[in-house]
Amino acid sequence: TQLLEQSPQFLSIQEGENLTVYCNSSSVFSSLQWYRQEPGEGPVLLVTVVTGGEVKKLKRLTFQFGDARKDSSLHITAAQPGDTGLYLCAGFAGGTSYGKLTFGQGTILTVHP
Amino acid sequence: ETGVTQTPRHLVMGMTNKKSLKCEQHLGHNAMYWYKQSAKKPLELMFVYSLEERVENNSVPSRFSPECPNSSHLFLHLHTLQPEDSALYLCASSWGSGRANEQFFGPGTRLTVL
Repeated sequence: TQLLEQSPQFLSIQEGENLTVYCNSSSVFSSLQWYRQEPGEGPVLLVTVVTGGEVKKLKRLTFQFGDARKDSSLHITAAQPGDTGLYLCAGFAGGTSYGKLTFGQGTILTVHP
Repeated sequence: ETGVTQTPRHLVMGMTNKKSLKCEQHLGHNAMYWYKQSAKKPLELMFVYSLEERVENNSVPSRFSPECPNSSHLFLHLHTLQPEDSALYLCASSWGSGRANEQFFGPGTRLTVL
């Protein structure tokens, strides 16, 4: 069974601070996705990384896939209250797994004005 | 995002009721999923359908019964539920293959069992 350990579980910071969320596994993934979920809504896909060592930027968000494709990180620069939400990482093993994703436990981010 | 829709958005039911959740995807995908999301727990995969065939049932109790009449529609039939089944039920769709396999989620149905 593949597992994704996501940390930290909770993050409470002030507007303007930087933060990093980590997603680690002992398994190799074909790709890894990051989602953001607001209360009462479904997760919304932010980014997909597929190549070991890949770095993708989405405005103030920077996503990195580890060289061995076992881990990933999400870095937010100058966080804003609008960044508040649940952040989920999810790994796809590939092959004939019918598209199943392995999800991390999630990080609840609160950005205070 | 209107690629995946779910109805109803909220549902309150007694333990003896029978109800159904509906999901529809407009993305042309061929795989659909039901997830359960409870407070302080990771997303739990319940069922996977690929090309309208159920390919995974993650030890879900028989009081949950999925149905996939075609590649665009997915139902979750509920009967004799327990209060611990109260949760956010999410539907998702994807291509089911390929290197990335991104899943796209609906807004969910917030279910409360009294």
